[in-house]
Amino acid sequence: SYELTQPPSVSVSPGQTASITCSGDRLGDKYVCWYQQKPGQSPVLVIYQDTKRPSGIPERFSGSNSGSTATLTISGTQAMDEADYYCQAWDSSTYVFGTGTKVTVL
Amino acid sequence: EVQLVESGGGLVKPGGSLRLSCAASGFTFSSYSMNWVRQAPGKGLGLEWVSSISSTSSYIYYADSMKGRFTISRDNAKNSLYLQMNSLRAEDTAVYYCAREGVENYFDYWGQGTLVTVSS
Repeated sequence: SYELTQPPSVSVSPGQTASITCSGDRLGDKYVCWYQQKPGQSPVLVIYQDTKRPSGIPERFSGSNSGSTATLTISGTQAMDEADYYCQAWDSSTYVFGTGTKVTVL
Repeated sequence: EVQLVESGGGLVKPGGSLRLSCAASGFTFSSYSMNWVRQAPGKGLGLEWVSSISSTSSYIYYADSMKGRFTISRDNAKNSLYLQMNSLRAEDTAVYYCAREGVENYFDYWGQGTLVTVSS
């Protein structure tokens, strides 16, 4: 079955850039989206179709996808961005979520 | 405003059954594919896709671990999504979310979730 691998944790200082990777076989051939989940809350879509931001998502969130790696970048990270982040893709009639990354803003 | 409200969760014994519902409002329900996603509580990271159903129920997909035990369905006249869960196991304990599917393989709205606990 298809797998998406993310680093378990990423630490970033306020105002700096956080990069979260998502790796999978030929991932660049698929659309990737990203979700943010804060404790006790439902996931929120922050990036879809590799690079697009839904209405209401700040511009500091951006995405890219090429080769076998997709990346979610948070520029000028704020304390409110501390959360778990998940990538997701569709493969062989199955949705697959990444393993998840906890972003800590120190 | 798009709203998805799950219900039907609770405590069930191993081997038992449960039917989850998701009431949709604020959009044309019959135009969207819908999904169920679950997340085991207290285990840190981890979203697990459960099942997907197309707008007219023509296409239905399941995660391998749920095939044969779970059945997804919908009633477009009632703006409702369902998940019938049979032969429940302890490892099915999770918060179950319903989610609306966007145009190209993403979930743009999620409900608040309903907790299913499988325990004797």
